[in-house]
Amino acid sequence: EVQLLESGGGLVQSGGSLRLSCAASGYTFSTFAMSWVRQAPGKGLEWVSGIGVDGVTINYADSVKGRFTTFRDNSQSTLFLQMNSLRAEDTAKYYCAKNSGSSRRDPFHIWGQGTMVTVSS
Amino acid sequence: DIQLTQSPSFLSASVGDRVTITCRASQGISSSLAWYHQKPGKAPKLLIYAASTLQSGVPSRFSGSGSGTEFTLTISTLQPEDFATYYCQQLNTYPVTFGGGTKVEI
Repeated sequence: EVQLLESGGGLVQSGGSLRLSCAASGYTFSTFAMSWVRQAPGKGLEWVSGIGVDGVTINYADSVKGRFTTFRDNSQSTLFLQMNSLRAEDTAKYYCAKNSGSSRRDPFHIWGQGTMVTVSS
Repeated sequence: DIQLTQSPSFLSASVGDRVTITCRASQGISSSLAWYHQKPGKAPKLLIYAASTLQSGVPSRFSGSGSGTEFTLTISTLQPEDFATYYCQQLNTYPVTFGGGTKVEI
């Protein structure tokens, strides 16, 4: 069974940092693109970042560009989101998602359960 | 950035109804559109991709159509478990964007 398990969320002060992890299992991690999506409390979905299978091709939403870094460790089947200079508006549940193919433009067909990040101002 | 506008934002319907949700893109996105639904406290679930392809395991009462700038998601016969918020997503151009959502209340 394909599973994604996020961890690393929590409460952090404005300006602080957190690193989220997404442990993948049940499939060949290195052959699929991955994405991060967030959802502020009571709000809609916001795409954060997408990373290709090579770990080199990466895109970010303008709202996080320069503050967040996405990377992957294919040997450990794990996706990461390093979040620096956190702001109150980054407060959200963060989901990792498996793209259905190797392209970052493939739809997100498997999602983790999400991890909550709360930034206090 | 490509904006996706969903309508309606809220929909009240009854079991057995035919329901249609529209998603309009601010510029053409070919058929690079997906639909998800999300139940309270749960992660989103992929329903439709490439505008009209049903994701494996999704009931056939869900269907999608459209290309370019206008897309629709149709639920042919609404079931109680279809209570959820529905989102469209464009994957044609970065940044990937989602519509604002349509909450379907049974």
